[in-house]
Amino acid sequence: AQRVTQPEKLLSVFKGAPVELKCNYSYSGSPELFWYVQYSRQRLQLLLRHISRESIKGFTADLNKGETSFHLKKPFAQEEDSAMYYCALSDAGGYQKVTFGTGTKLQVIP
Amino acid sequence: SAVISQKPSRDICQRGTSLTIQCQVDSQVTMMFWYRQQPGQSLTLIATANQGSEATYESGFVIDKFPISRPNLTFSTLTVSNMSPEDSSIYLCSVESSNYGYTFGSGTRLTVV
Repeated sequence: AQRVTQPEKLLSVFKGAPVELKCNYSYSGSPELFWYVQYSRQRLQLLLRHISRESIKGFTADLNKGETSFHLKKPFAQEEDSAMYYCALSDAGGYQKVTFGTGTKLQVIP
Repeated sequence: SAVISQKPSRDICQRGTSLTIQCQVDSQVTMMFWYRQQPGQSLTLIATANQGSEATYESGFVIDKFPISRPNLTFSTLTVSNMSPEDSSIYLCSVESSNYGYTFGSGTRLTVV
């Protein structure tokens, strides 16, 4: 079974401080990992996916298969980063259901 | 990526009634997914809808309660039937977009009174 764990419901950091949103997963197959973000009053949208190895809005995430983790990081938090962040997993074969973590609310304090 | 129009955006319904949620996609997609997000919880997949075949439901969800239609490759509906207050949730549709992420509708906030 697929499972995604985000241990923190709320993460508060000061503006300019580093951010790390934790995500661990459990999956026996070949996983594809995503981070989704939902800003206040906006729809859920894709932030980044591990296979693209991109940095979006200063965020990066590295898939660590040994630790089964996909933590989201940003060196310097900005106020506009305040949002709900969901880690998600699907099978790398495509067209598979996506399993979401419970989400972490990031609050950047000015 | 695909653009999804979902409606209604919110509704308040009496228990025992039904509500149909619509999702329109601006491009043809093979699969559409319906999710539920209960208050304070994560998104849970209800079912996967293919055009021309019956939807595939996840454990804990049944067709009688959540009938789904998929008449063509750009449209789907989810009906929440015989509603109770426990059905109060946000319901979202989703499709797989060209960059292999998933695009979501804006959601339908349902309150059952």
